[in-house]
Amino acid sequence: SVLTQPPSVSAAPGQRVTISCSGSSSNIGNNYVSWYQQLPGTAPKLLIYDNNKRPSGIPGRFSGSKSGTSATLGITGLQTGDEADYYCGTWSNSLSAVVFGGGTKLTVL
Amino acid sequence: QVQLLQSGAEVKKPGASVKVSCKVSGYTLTELSMHWVRQTPGKGLEWMGGFDPEEGETVYAQKFQGRVTMTDDRSTDTVYMELSSLTSEDTAVYYCAAGYRGGSYGPDGYYYYHYGMDGWGQGTTVTVSS
Repeated sequence: SVLTQPPSVSAAPGQRVTISCSGSSSNIGNNYVSWYQQLPGTAPKLLIYDNNKRPSGIPGRFSGSKSGTSATLGITGLQTGDEADYYCGTWSNSLSAVVFGGGTKLTVL
Repeated sequence: QVQLLQSGAEVKKPGASVKVSCKVSGYTLTELSMHWVRQTPGKGLEWMGGFDPEEGETVYAQKFQGRVTMTDDRSTDTVYMELSSLTSEDTAVYYCAAGYRGGSYGPDGYYYYHYGMDGWGQGTTVTVSS
């Protein structure tokens, strides 16, 4: 994938976890980043858009940030219902395409 | 809030074409940037193409150039994705997704277009098998 994410992360209920997304100046460095949550067997859902904005209905436990050519999704107060695959996405100026990270599987132990 | 309803599952033979539809409600197509994303079994998300708000036109991922066509019917707010010359590697779930068209000024004062996908269809499973 054009964007690099860790394949998996895990943490205990109630804890905090971060998921990184690394790119380059042609994608993350010069465009907004979005984050998506995909629960097992369902369609992806937008969690964060424009680097750090939450759509209505998304709890404040979810946050996004961007610095240079990397972005980070943070989740606090982990719940078992947060177990899902998480994807970052952005526009690539060099490819003229939307690009996604390979996805990170979150396990809440 | 935008809602997207896709057509049902399809089974196709190698070499055939498939056309998937996606009915939009809550917004009109002129207010949205529509995209198609697929997910092969056990794999991640793969963007196939969609509306580029900066260029004002639909663009396709290089991988699918010449094999995919995305169209729309504004009278019914429905978009379509047709993929031709199918092989077993095209077996996947196909999603339509919608983003609110436009952009905003970032903290650095530059204008950035919005490529996020605010709403997703339920997915259409396409199986290619002889």
